Amino acid sequence: DVKVTQSSRYLVKRTGEKVFLECVQDMDHENMFWYRQDPGLGLRLIYFSYDVKMKEKGDIPEGYSVSREKKERFSLILESASTNQTSMYLCASSFPTRQVRDGYTFGSGTRLTVV
Amino acid sequence: AQTVTQSQPEMSVQEAETVTLSCTYDTSESDYYLFWYKQPPSRQMILVIRQEAYKQQNATENRFSVNFQKAAKSFSLKISDSQLGDAAMYFCAYRGNTPLVFGKGTRLSVIA
Repeated sequence: DVKVTQSSRYLVKRTGEKVFLECVQDMDHENMFWYRQDPGLGLRLIYFSYDVKMKEKGDIPEGYSVSREKKERFSLILESASTNQTSMYLCASSFPTRQVRDGYTFGSGTRLTVV
Repeated sequence: AQTVTQSQPEMSVQEAETVTLSCTYDTSESDYYLFWYKQPPSRQMILVIRQEAYKQQNATENRFSVNFQKAAKSFSLKISDSQLGDAAMYFCAYRGNTPLVFGKGTRLSVIA
């Protein structure tokens, strides 16, 4: 069964900590994405990557960075965690845009609480 | 920029009845895809149904069907014979030349 795996289901971090959220996919997908999900706001795109070592800002990149050193792994980094970054984080992957009929495959999310 | 609007934050339906979830979108692109995703309490996003914009025929997947009105930029989801397992958050999503854009979601409750 194809998968997108997020390393943690629940995470509690302190304000000011540097936080790494890891995502690994085994489908040989070129594209990978990080979304943030908040009640009443839906899913908002933080960063995405269409290739190794490539990254693009999404709609809400402030306070975040990403790393994609290998095709299968896409990491989201909170440089200095703040309480307003308490949220659910969803990773997803897909084939390239030219195969746009495909939806995305999602991980099961990391619920991050910053205290 | 493309936007997706789901105007119903919450809906409820009796078991075995039919319910329709609304979605509208805004785009200037001519080639795009529309999706409905389901997110149960397990949090796993599940693709329910997709619609290609160039196809006039509405997509159908078992009890799930869509009413795609391209000129009106409307893409509603109909769930027939609702089951308890249909209870979830439902997200409408748009994909053109940019990453998936999601609506804010509709929480569907199914009443036994």
